[in-house]
Amino acid sequence: QKEVEQDPGPLSVPEGAIVSLNCTYSNSAFQYFMWYRQYSRKGPELLMYTYSSGNKEDGRFTAQVDKSSKYISLFIRDSQPSDSATYLCAMIRPGNQFYFGTGTSLTVIP
Amino acid sequence: GAVVSQHPSRVICKSGTSVKIECRSLDFQATTMFWYRQFPKQSLMLMATSNEGSKATYEQGVEKDKFLINHASLTLSTLTVTSAHPEDSSFYICSARQTTNEKLFFGSGTQLSVL
Repeated sequence: QKEVEQDPGPLSVPEGAIVSLNCTYSNSAFQYFMWYRQYSRKGPELLMYTYSSGNKEDGRFTAQVDKSSKYISLFIRDSQPSDSATYLCAMIRPGNQFYFGTGTSLTVIP
Repeated sequence: GAVVSQHPSRVICKSGTSVKIECRSLDFQATTMFWYRQFPKQSLMLMATSNEGSKATYEQGVEKDKFLINHASLTLSTLTVTSAHPEDSSFYICSARQTTNEKLFFGSGTQLSVL
């Protein structure tokens, strides 16, 4: 079983839709959770960073962590064509290696 | 957020030459940096973990004599692809860990094309 599982998609939504991206993990020792956005031929950009269960909001983005279910989500409200990218979840145990999901490819259609 | 500078962004070289890629953390110190390789439409593949002042730790299957990593200071790590061949053509990305909060920031990537 992989440490982190993420549906690769692709996911295609109309502009303005709410997007839900998800990852599950198997190791309860993970404490820090991140979401990255990667445009084609660019390095991943850190979008959200959380370390506790619950929701964290930043503009149109909401990161949700459920440690009891080992499940994290990223919600994008009012999706825009510029949100079209690959979204990677990542998590870490303190002082240890990062574990990444495989990434979900998102296309927002105008 | 913190900035990680990676360059060059693109390099084209002849087979047999060596190519050096630099990764700098601009506004924070990074005792640990990571190097990844990424093929089109695939996820990041960790190549090695670079620790300042010590030897890099390579992932299984990555040739350490082929991919030389140097982390000489708290803000700079370099990856040298030695005697590059066409099969080394790929997108290489570095990242740096911010030790104060475990955040990981990425460089913008280097597209290597070996002719």
